Amino acid sequence: GQSLEQPSEVTAVEGAIVQINCTYQTSGFYGLSWYQQHDGGAPTFLSYNALDGLEETGRFSSFLSRSDSYGYLLLQELQMKDSASYFCAVRSGGYNKLIFGAGTRLAVHP
Amino acid sequence: EPEVTQTPSHQVTQMGQEVILRCVPISNHLYFYWYRQILGQKVEFLVSFYNNEISEKSEIFDDQFSVERPDGSNFTLKIRSTKLEDSAMYFCASSEGPGGDSDIQYFGAGTRLSVL
Repeated sequence: GQSLEQPSEVTAVEGAIVQINCTYQTSGFYGLSWYQQHDGGAPTFLSYNALDGLEETGRFSSFLSRSDSYGYLLLQELQMKDSASYFCAVRSGGYNKLIFGAGTRLAVHP
Repeated sequence: EPEVTQTPSHQVTQMGQEVILRCVPISNHLYFYWYRQILGQKVEFLVSFYNNEISEKSEIFDDQFSVERPDGSNFTLKIRSTKLEDSAMYFCASSEGPGGDSDIQYFGAGTRLSVL
């Protein structure tokens, strides 16, 4: 089967750093994406890793290790508006199908 | 900034009725997708579409579902005879594809389908 595992909930305070891990087991792998989703909203693209290593985009960074089938999203200088669900998603297969994890609900407190 | 647009934002229908959900993908994108998300659950792949044909579909995408690109801008999802369990948020996505950052899929705001 195909599965992605990520923590269900994370809590942090404003200004802190939080890391959301994702491990995956899929029949094909072309890249790992991260999406943010506020309640009732659309998944918003954050970051994409096709190769091993760290990708940095402002306050957000994402890391991938293909040999470990593992990646993480790092959020720095947390703000209240970062409270949302974060999904890792694997592009699996030649036609770009995304397989999503169950999501990590991040709560940022003052 | 270009975006994927979906209409309507909310669709209420009676069980057994047909619904058509509409999407306008980003204009230079070539790959189109439908996903759904049942309340409180993860996003699930339904179908991908490229070069005017379905390239891949999930087991959820049975004979009750169909997709179409009726013109150069719209991409539709039709559910022929809705069931209660079809109630979900339906997201359209598009990507430039293939390769590298062109694989990135951008999602619309979704259509909330409520089947009564």
